[in-house]
Amino acid sequence: GENVEQHPSTLSVQEGDSAVIKCTYSDSASNYFPWYKQELGKRPQLIIDIRSNVGEKKDQRIAVTLNKTAKHFSLHITETQPEDSAVYFCAAPNTGNQFYFGTGTSLTVIP
Amino acid sequence: NAGVTQTPKFRVLKTGQSMTLLCAQDMNHEYMYWYRQDPGMGLRLIHYSVGEGTTAKGEVPDGYNVSRLKKQNFLLGLESAAPSQTSVYFCASSYSGRDYNEQFFGPGTRLTVL
Repeated sequence: GENVEQHPSTLSVQEGDSAVIKCTYSDSASNYFPWYKQELGKRPQLIIDIRSNVGEKKDQRIAVTLNKTAKHFSLHITETQPEDSAVYFCAAPNTGNQFYFGTGTSLTVIP
Repeated sequence: NAGVTQTPKFRVLKTGQSMTLLCAQDMNHEYMYWYRQDPGMGLRLIHYSVGEGTTAKGEVPDGYNVSRLKKQNFLLGLESAAPSQTSVYFCASSYSGRDYNEQFFGPGTRLTVL
């Protein structure tokens, strides 16, 4: 089965600094890598995703990079703001339609 | 367009009781999923369905059963609740296709088993 590892588990940054969260996966057939943001007491919501045919994708202050050879992908948030404080989850599918999520990163942006 | 809805929002059970969680989506999605979320463990897949009338086991299926009799509904059942099933349960759905797509999550059900 798939195994998705996510680091770090907690991350504190000063407002305006960048934040980077990394995930590794084990199933070389995985071809879709989403990132979800979950605010306290709320449901997870997709913030960005990347497919295996590209190495990087950007959406304003958020970017995701993918290294298929090394089997890892990363979330980059630039110019962090207090509203970026949340728990972030990465995920990867296996060949059987199942999604495996990382254990989450609690990001705190200090004003 | 309500998206994905879940009922109930909260529930307290005693050990050995049974209950059913209902998930409904109005986006005509083929794929539906049930996850549980525990502190420090992320989201773990319990069961999933790739279409009406189909179900399959996920990562942590023991103690749960599911049914997908209608495309828009996905039910999660606990036949004999145990304290280890205390958790927040999320349902999700996604459009099917040759490629994977975004999963849309419901608001969650907080279950406590005493």
